Amino acid sequence: QVQLVQSGSELKKPGASVKVSCKASGYMFTKYVMNWVRQAPGQGLEWMGWINANTGNPTYAQGFTGRFVFSLDTSVSTAYLQISSLRTDDTAVYYCAREGVGLDYWGQGTLVTVSS
Amino acid sequence: DIVMTQSPDSLAVSLGERATINCKSSQSILYSSNNKDYLVWYQQKPGQPPKRLIYWASTRESGVPDRFSGSGSGTNFTLTISSLQAEDVAVYYCQQYCYFPHTFGQGTKLEIK
Repeated sequence: QVQLVQSGSELKKPGASVKVSCKASGYMFTKYVMNWVRQAPGQGLEWMGWINANTGNPTYAQGFTGRFVFSLDTSVSTAYLQISSLRTDDTAVYYCAREGVGLDYWGQGTLVTVSS
Repeated sequence: DIVMTQSPDSLAVSLGERATINCKSSQSILYSSNNKDYLVWYQQKPGQPPKRLIYWASTRESGVPDRFSGSGSGTNFTLTISSLQAEDVAVYYCQQYCYFPHTFGQGTKLEIK
């Protein structure tokens, strides 16, 4: 069965960086696009963009350019989200989700807390 | 960007009654080449990731109870729960995947009256 398993919660100071992983199993990793979605505390869902797992080509939504980087390691079927120069308003749960006519499978989410 | 606007923001319905959530897109998400509406509905329960319920505006995900149905086309869409059950308490989101960025609605919180 398809599973997306994300790395654990992170507590970071402002200005630091974080890298969230999303390990896929149960399907051919390179056949699908992987999305990233942000959910700030008590807020709605925000589509950050996606990365084509076949070509490695990322697409970023406005507001997620510059400090946000999507990457892959296809040898271990894992997608990554790296955020640099963290700010307190980056505090959120970050989800990876497979693109399969909308987002058909989701990771469990990774809470990133940015606090001094 | 396409703006997805859900209504209402919150809704309280009695058990066994009908719940209706609306989603309006700022432009048509009906793709003419295949005549499909690129709209999906998700359900998110507290502490859980969202779960896809409906795609192509009206196709129910496998395993989703048939009390959930999606309708609409173009710019106006509806998620209907025909007979509300206690386990349906959640926040519901629509999302369009026709144009970048793939924008979500703001969510509708569904509670028991």
